[in-house]
Amino acid sequence: RKEVEQDPGPFNVPEGATVAFNCTYSNSASQSFFWYRQDCRKEPKLLMSVYSSGNEDGRFTAQLNRASQYISLLIRDSKLSDSATYLCVVFMDSSYKLIFGSGTRLLVRP
Amino acid sequence: EPEVTQTPSHQVTQMGQEVILRCVPISNHLYFYWYRQILGQKVEFLVSFYNNEISEKSEIFDDQFSVERPDGSNFTLKIRSTKLEDSAMYFCASSEIAGGELFFGEGSRLTVL
Repeated sequence: RKEVEQDPGPFNVPEGATVAFNCTYSNSASQSFFWYRQDCRKEPKLLMSVYSSGNEDGRFTAQLNRASQYISLLIRDSKLSDSATYLCVVFMDSSYKLIFGSGTRLLVRP
Repeated sequence: EPEVTQTPSHQVTQMGQEVILRCVPISNHLYFYWYRQILGQKVEFLVSFYNNEISEKSEIFDDQFSVERPDGSNFTLKIRSTKLEDSAMYFCASSEIAGGELFFGEGSRLTVL
């Protein structure tokens, strides 16, 4: 089983749609979780951290389910500028490394 | 806003040559990382560095690779005897705490011919 697994997409949605991405991780001892965004040929940038209680930042909501080892990202009212690849990132407690999922590509169309 | 800077932005080299990729992490950060992304593929962990030594390295990070923090500000990745499959974008990142947010540089694109 891969350490961090994501649906690669692409998700092709109209502007204004709500879209959800999922991510599963294999190491139950993982402690920190993040969603990063990567635009084409650019560096990853932090979108939001994921907390156990769930957290929201504007149109973005992240949730963590430790029992199922599952993280989600919900984007409401999609904008054209949301088109990017969304990367699920997990910090492995046993080592000093953050592991990236392969990313989910989102295309928002007019 | 403090940022991670990387040089060069693009390097073209012949197979078998050595390359050094340079990074200046954010000044108060203590954890440093190199990641690699082959075109169209995922971001892959190479190595993490803390307290002047390697904390963790991946299977990719074999004897061909080495890292160094020679002067307290630069953090370098050396790739010896480059191969065609080393062609990729190499990202340097730093964080203030273990498991904290990673701040990435803009990357160094390596092309091996």
